[in-house]
Amino acid sequence: GQQVMQIPQYQHVQEGEDFTTYCNSSTTLSNIQWYKQRPGGHPVFLIQLVKSGEVKKQKRLTFQFGEAKKNSSLHITATQTTDVGTYFCAGTTGNQFYFGTGTSLTVIP
Amino acid sequence: KAGVTQTPRYLIKTRGQQVTLSCSPISGHRSVSWYQQTPGQGLQFLFEYFSETQRNKGNFPGRFSGRQFSNSRSEMNVSTLELGDSALYLCASSLRPRDRVSITEAFFGQGTRLTVV
Repeated sequence: GQQVMQIPQYQHVQEGEDFTTYCNSSTTLSNIQWYKQRPGGHPVFLIQLVKSGEVKKQKRLTFQFGEAKKNSSLHITATQTTDVGTYFCAGTTGNQFYFGTGTSLTVIP
Repeated sequence: KAGVTQTPRYLIKTRGQQVTLSCSPISGHRSVSWYQQTPGQGLQFLFEYFSETQRNKGNFPGRFSGRQFSNSRSEMNVSTLELGDSALYLCASSLRPRDRVSITEAFFGQGTRLTVV
């Protein structure tokens, strides 16, 4: 079954509001990647986190890897309409690679 | 530099038939991974190839197979198609295979939309 869950499944925000998606794994992950998929498009790599407790920032996006390497989060500050899409986390455990269930973000102008 | 190219973009097949999908990675990339994306199951990992060898395989039945050629191009084959195989099949290429430590950015193709009727 699905080993990497994301919440929420859907999120609607007003432009300018913040947004956070959470990724939770039932097992310890070696690393975690985040992807963004625009409607009708393909996943685009955003970042990879490897170390326990690691935090990385890309402009308005902040990515965090939990201390136990079982969870991760993506936070977007002051959302813009260009942030619309589905955000997926993807984790490596053993030789397997699992994508999260995704969070679909809608930004209302 | 050209991106990842998948062909065909769209395909309609009948139950019981087989299908072969193709993926040409970015020049210089030797690792190719395949994924199935459906509304119900999300993105699921199929397999990963590096230097013509399958490195990892997801939890899919044996009807799903793949291979990689010496020029790093990859094909995946699905035999005895079922209605549930209707999905967007994505491939992604990267310089090297994914491992636990090094950062391995994967670049996805546009996908092949397979419909089984």
